[in-house]
Amino acid sequence: EDQVTQSPEALRLQEGESSSLNCSYTVSGLRGLFWYRQDPGKGPEFLFTLYSAGEEKEKERLKATLTKKESFLHITAPKPEDSATYLCAVLRIGGATNKLIFGTGTLLAVQP
Amino acid sequence: DVKVTQSSRYLVKRTGEKVFLECVQDMDHENMFWYRQDPGLGLRLIYFSYDVKMKEKGDIPEGYSVSREKKERFSLILESASTNQTSMYLCASSYGQGATYGYTFGSGTRLTVV
Repeated sequence: EDQVTQSPEALRLQEGESSSLNCSYTVSGLRGLFWYRQDPGKGPEFLFTLYSAGEEKEKERLKATLTKKESFLHITAPKPEDSATYLCAVLRIGGATNKLIFGTGTLLAVQP
Repeated sequence: DVKVTQSSRYLVKRTGEKVFLECVQDMDHENMFWYRQDPGLGLRLIYFSYDVKMKEKGDIPEGYSVSREKKERFSLILESASTNQTSMYLCASSYGQGATYGYTFGSGTRLTVV
């Protein structure tokens, strides 16, 4: 069964304190691993797609990496505006169309 | 930018009411999805549609139905609302098999059933 597990559930950082969020997955045939950011009361906003082990993508202070079993979202020198819930998802193949299966997210709080 | 618009940000309904949640997308996407999001459970797929009048059940379809009469509009229907359907409901759309950008989400409808 396809499964996505994110850790930690919540993370509190001081401004400038770098860290990483983890997403481990089991899926029969990875077609894509996605990272989203979600602000309170809003829908998820797309950040990155990773397709194969060894791939990396960067956007401002965020860098996503992928291995055969997990993905990391590295946050370098975070700022308070990086506070949000970060969601990881994998694409489930099959049926009439592919479907995203989500983890439960990591709630990140960056304090000034 | 692709926009997915959900008609209501907040709704309060009574137990037993029939509830309609509406979603419209403006980029001619074939696929549309309804998720609910609950603390500790993440996003769970309720129903999706891959073409007009075509639909499939997701992981938690019980108590819900959907309607897609036009390509741009996807409605979620709670036939008889219950308190355990209090949740954040998110609509999303995608082009093709969704393998490049995943989905584009709306801002969500927070439904409270009392």
